[in-house]
Amino acid sequence: GQSLEQPSEVTAVEGAIVQINCTYQTSGFYGLSWYQQHDGGAPTFLSYNALDGLEETGRFSSFLSRSDSYGYLLLQELQMKDSASYFCAVYRRDNAGKSTFGDGTTLTVKP
Amino acid sequence: DTGVSQDPRHKITKRGQNVTFRCDPISEHNRLYWYRQTLGQGPEFLTYFQNEAQLEKSRLLSDRFSAERPKGSFSTLEIQRTEQGDSAMYLCASSPGGFYGYTFGSGTRLTVV
Repeated sequence: GQSLEQPSEVTAVEGAIVQINCTYQTSGFYGLSWYQQHDGGAPTFLSYNALDGLEETGRFSSFLSRSDSYGYLLLQELQMKDSASYFCAVYRRDNAGKSTFGDGTTLTVKP
Repeated sequence: DTGVSQDPRHKITKRGQNVTFRCDPISEHNRLYWYRQTLGQGPEFLTYFQNEAQLEKSRLLSDRFSAERPKGSFSTLEIQRTEQGDSAMYLCASSPGGFYGYTFGSGTRLTVV
């Protein structure tokens, strides 16, 4: 089967840097995605890593280590609007685009 | 393109009734997915279409659930004989060939009373 683990809650202050970790167990791993979801809203795609290393998109970066079955999402210069749930999701080679999501990390940004 | 549209946004139904939801994906996306999400959980895969072909359906999905995507355009998800456990947010997503991340719709929130 597949499993993903991420912390349930993270709190940080405005302007800080926060890292949300995700560990996964799955056969046929192909890539790791990250999504943001505000309360009452739809998940929004943030990033995708298929290869080891860091992918940077503005204030957000995502990292993958395939050998450690581990990834993280790094949010810099936190803003109040970053308060949301963040989900990691694994994509398996044989899944034709289907993703398995973690249960999400609720990020609270305080002034 | 206005993104992925879902209708209705909210649905309240009595237990035992049938409900149908509609999803209009981004027009150039050939892949369409249905996911279900309950409070505090991540989206859970239900089914997947490539063009008009339904290529995979979750083993967790009972026979009360059926989905179609006629002509590879919009899709419908029907739940027959609804149960209280069906109460959830039903999310539709689309993506182009290959994997570039999903674009999700705003979802249909179903409440079974």
